[in-house]
Formats: sequence, structure tokens, C-alpha cells
Amino acid sequence: GQNIDQPTEMTATEGAIVQINCTYQTSGFNGLFWYQQHAGEAPTFLSYNVLDGLEEKGRFSSFLSRSKGYSYLLLKELQMKDSASYLCAVRDLGSSNTGKLIFGQGTTLQVKP
Amino acid sequence: KAGVTQTPRYLIKTRGQQVTLSCSPISGHRSVSWYQQTPGQGLQFLFEYFSETQRNKGNFPGRFSGRQFSNSRSEMNVSTLELGDSALYLCASSEGGTQETQYFGPGTRLLVL
Repeated sequence: GQNIDQPTEMTATEGAIVQINCTYQTSGFNGLFWYQQHAGEAPTFLSYNVLDGLEEKGRFSSFLSRSKGYSYLLLKELQMKDSASYLCAVRDLGSSNTGKLIFGQGTTLQVKP
Repeated sequence: KAGVTQTPRYLIKTRGQQVTLSCSPISGHRSVSWYQQTPGQGLQFLFEYFSETQRNKGNFPGRFSGRQFSNSRSEMNVSTLELGDSALYLCASSEGGTQETQYFGPGTRLLVL
């Protein structure tokens, strides 16, 4: 089956570092995405991992371990505007060999002063 | 390039009615995917269209259908609306390869009374 787990809520302090974990089980893994979604807005693309390792993009980094079915999103130097929902999504090739995204429930991050 | 656009942005319907939502992808993108987002279920995949053909389908009833036109614009239709269809409907476009990043539109918020 397909299953993606991430914590429901997290709280962190402005200027700090926070790590949001995501574990997954899929039948045809072909990449993992992280999206940011502010309340009432559309998800915006943050990062994409298809090979094991760390991808760094400014204050945001994403890590993938395919053997463990595990990823994390690392946010450094937190700002108030980082308060949002963070969605972990896995591309599942499935049987039709096309790409559909399976999303986790999202982690709501609240950044406090 | 202009982003993904969706119309209308907000819609109120009553049970039993039908509704059509429209999505215009980023110029040059040939794949359009549709998702339903609700507080309880999160983001769930509806279907994906590529070159006017449905390439993948989620686990939604037949009341949910879609199509894609030769200019890659896509529509989704929901017939015989139910209260539970109230949700944010998001479309996402990509160039079409199975490793391409999907970019989301602002969504159509549908309320069924």
C-alpha cells in the first residue's frame, strides 16, 4: 500500500533550526517532494530528492534515504513567514508508469518570536 | 512565464447540482493533475491528463471526471454534488515527464450547501 507519515504540528522559535520528518511506504518510488502551503494559498515547491543524500537550497535543505523510506526538511534561521504547512509528497509510478503524487497530511509549523 | 491559473476561485453550489472547474497550465506544460484538499483527508489525487488523454486516476467515484484540450487547458466536472465535495480543488501542471516537478495553481474553493 501507500502511506506517508509526518508530524501534525511543530512549534519553533524565530532564528532557530527545525527538522520536519517524513516516512513513506510506496510500491513504485520515483522521487520525494516538499511543498510549503500558507493558509488559504496553493502549495509552492520547495525541494525534490530522487537520490539519497542532502539537497541544500538557501535556508532550506532536504534529505532522503530510500533504503529507510525516510526524508526530512531542515529549515534554518527561522523567520515568522515560515509559519505554514509543510507537505511531504512521494511520486508513485505504480503500474501505469506515470507520475502521481501521494501527499502526507502535512506538518503545521508555528514560528514564535 | 505566467503561473497556473484556475477559474473560478470560489464557487457555491447546492446538493445535486453539477460544477465545472477550469485550469490553464504553465505555457509549454503538457501534463495537468487535479487534487482535492480537505482538512480531514489532506491532498488527494484525482486524475492526471497528458496530451488530451487521462494518464492516471485516483480513487474517486465516477461523478468526478475531467478532460484536456489540445492547448493543454483542462477542466474537471463533478456531477450530482454532495456536501462532502466541499473542498479546495487544486490543479498542478508539469512538462509531462515522470520526473518533472508539479506546480500548483491557486485552487478553486467549492462550497456545497
